[in-house]
Amino acid sequence: TQLLEQSPQFLSIQEGENLTVYCNSSSVFSSLQWYRQEPGEGPVLLVTVVTGGEVKKLKRLTFQFGDARKDSSLHITAAQPGDTGLYLCAGGSQGNLIFGKGTKLSVKP
Amino acid sequence: GAVVSQHPSRVICKSGTSVKIECRSLDFQATTMFWYRQFPKQSLMLMATSNEGSKATYEQGVEKDKFLINHASLTLSTLTVTSAHPEDSSFYICSVPRYNEQFFGPGTRLTVL
Repeated sequence: TQLLEQSPQFLSIQEGENLTVYCNSSSVFSSLQWYRQEPGEGPVLLVTVVTGGEVKKLKRLTFQFGDARKDSSLHITAAQPGDTGLYLCAGGSQGNLIFGKGTKLSVKP
Repeated sequence: GAVVSQHPSRVICKSGTSVKIECRSLDFQATTMFWYRQFPKQSLMLMATSNEGSKATYEQGVEKDKFLINHASLTLSTLTVTSAHPEDSSFYICSVPRYNEQFFGPGTRLTVL
């Protein structure tokens, strides 16, 4: 059974701080996705990483896929209150995704 | 990407009644759609895979007679929660896979009194 473990589960920081969220597995994934979900809404896709060692940037967000394609990280630089939300990593194949439990981020002004 | 809508966004019903939730793919024909359930402060759990023209595939532990899925067309899948009970109260989300990504609907908040 493929599992994705995210850490930390909760993160509360001040505006302007940097943070990193991790997504780890003992299984190899063909790709990993990162989603952001706000309360009462569906997850919104942020990025998909497919190549081992790949790094993608989305403004202040940097996503990295591990060389062995078993883990991924999300780094946010100079966090803002608008970054608050639940960050989910997901992996799988053929459209059937397995989700991590998520990291709930709170950025205080 | 793909644009996905759900209806209703919120529903409150009495215990014992049935509730139908619609998931529509607005700009893409989807032979497959996924239904997830999310309890408060938890991640998404896949309930079933909806297949156009054939029976849905249910995940272990999900009762197929309680959660009826009908993939009526290439743009519409419905989830009916039959004889709903308070423990069925949850956030139900559908998704449409496209290439190797999934695009989610806005979710339906079901509250069973």
